[in-house]
Amino acid sequence: QSALTQPASVSGSPGQSITISCAGTSSDVGTFSSVSWYQQHPGKAPKLIIYDVTKRPPGLSNRFSGSRSGHTASLTISGLQAEDEADYYCSSYAESAIWVFGGGTRLTVL
Amino acid sequence: EVQLLESGGGLVQPGGSLRLSCATSGFTFNKYAMTWVRQTPGKGLEWVSTVSSSSGDTYYADSVKGRFTISRDNSKNTLYLQMNGLRAEDTALYYCAKDLRASAGGAYGDLANWGQGTLVTVSS
Repeated sequence: QSALTQPASVSGSPGQSITISCAGTSSDVGTFSSVSWYQQHPGKAPKLIIYDVTKRPPGLSNRFSGSRSGHTASLTISGLQAEDEADYYCSSYAESAIWVFGGGTRLTVL
Repeated sequence: EVQLLESGGGLVQPGGSLRLSCATSGFTFNKYAMTWVRQTPGKGLEWVSTVSSSSGDTYYADSVKGRFTISRDNSKNTLYLQMNGLRAEDTALYYCAKDLRASAGGAYGDLANWGQGTLVTVSS
């Protein structure tokens, strides 16, 4: 099972919105709703920010939103803040009862 | 407060074995699927294995199938990963993680709580 495809890096200025893509196939993102997004700051454990494609865990800022079109899921962060600078990973359930992660995207807040 | 504490990592020679443990507290352990995820230093996340709340369902990445065994002791609120036939490419920080939502069987894979990880180094 191949990893999901994410851009290596994205950047944006404070207050702007950015979108990170997560390209999969009909064997994972395109078929299953178990798509999640995680934020990871250096030296820290990942943090769940989106699950089931579009849902936010309790207490999570509504600046984070998820969507999907075909085989590609997307994470949008609006009103970019300095503390959003981190690595972001997507994940999806896939055929053959496995989960796969994307390669990760480094977000730089300019 | 949900707490997950991994242990059991260390330096092991290729072909050797290790058993990782993840002691948990702050939630009803026997209601949640649990997962191991690993991360090579400076690189991305890799899903390793998941076990359902009742241990009835287990799932493995192809890269570890046949070598690793996930298990849980619901009486001790502890998750395990038995790793045999270790290879250099298994070197990583191993995290245990808990699903966001309780499930009677299967798993959601929405990993809401994570430990701080235990480092496994496979080298001669």
